[in-house]
Amino acid sequence: KQEVTQIPAALSVPEGENLVLNCSFTDSAIYNLQWFRQDPGKGLTSLLLIQSSQREQTSGRLNASLDKSSGRSTLYIAASQPGDSATYLCAVEGGSRLTFGEGTQLTVNP
Amino acid sequence: NAGVMQNPRHLVRRRGQEARLRCSPMKGHSHVYWYRQLPEEGLKFMVYLQKENIIDESGMPKERFSAEFPKEGPSILRIQQVVRGDSAAYFCASSPSSGAPAYEQYFGPGTRLTVT
Repeated sequence: KQEVTQIPAALSVPEGENLVLNCSFTDSAIYNLQWFRQDPGKGLTSLLLIQSSQREQTSGRLNASLDKSSGRSTLYIAASQPGDSATYLCAVEGGSRLTFGEGTQLTVNP
Repeated sequence: NAGVMQNPRHLVRRRGQEARLRCSPMKGHSHVYWYRQLPEEGLKFMVYLQKENIIDESGMPKERFSAEFPKEGPSILRIQQVVRGDSAAYFCASSPSSGAPAYEQYFGPGTRLTVT
């Protein structure tokens, strides 16, 4: 059974800092890994998707890496802004379903 | 191209009533997934459907819950005789039947169900 763990559970940083969110998964037989953002009371916004054959993806200030053999992914956020405050979710796809981590709640302080 | 649409966005039901949640996938998507997010918990997979077929319902409670995705119209998640523990946010996602990136799921805004 796939299990996804995200560390840390919560993170508070001053504006402008670069930061790293971590995700680990127990079963390396995945098709892809997605990072999402969820604002309070809102739906999920897909940030980045990494196919199992890829090592990383970049979008603007975001960079996600994937090491399938070790079961790890990181989301790097450069020059953080208060608008980045949200919960970040990591999810792995194996077969038809996404298995989610519990999320990292990020607060960027002005 | 409109995104995944869910309605209603908020639904209040009394214990014992039925709840019907609707999901219209993105245009051209024929795969629909339902997930549930209980308060203070992560999202959990419930069911995966293609048009007129349930492919994987292993995450759905055995009783009171059912899902369908008819040939015409939206996908429906039905909860009969709701209880307080059913209060949660229910998210629908859809994916294209083919093409790249394969299996990326696009999420709707969710339906927040409150059982009083």
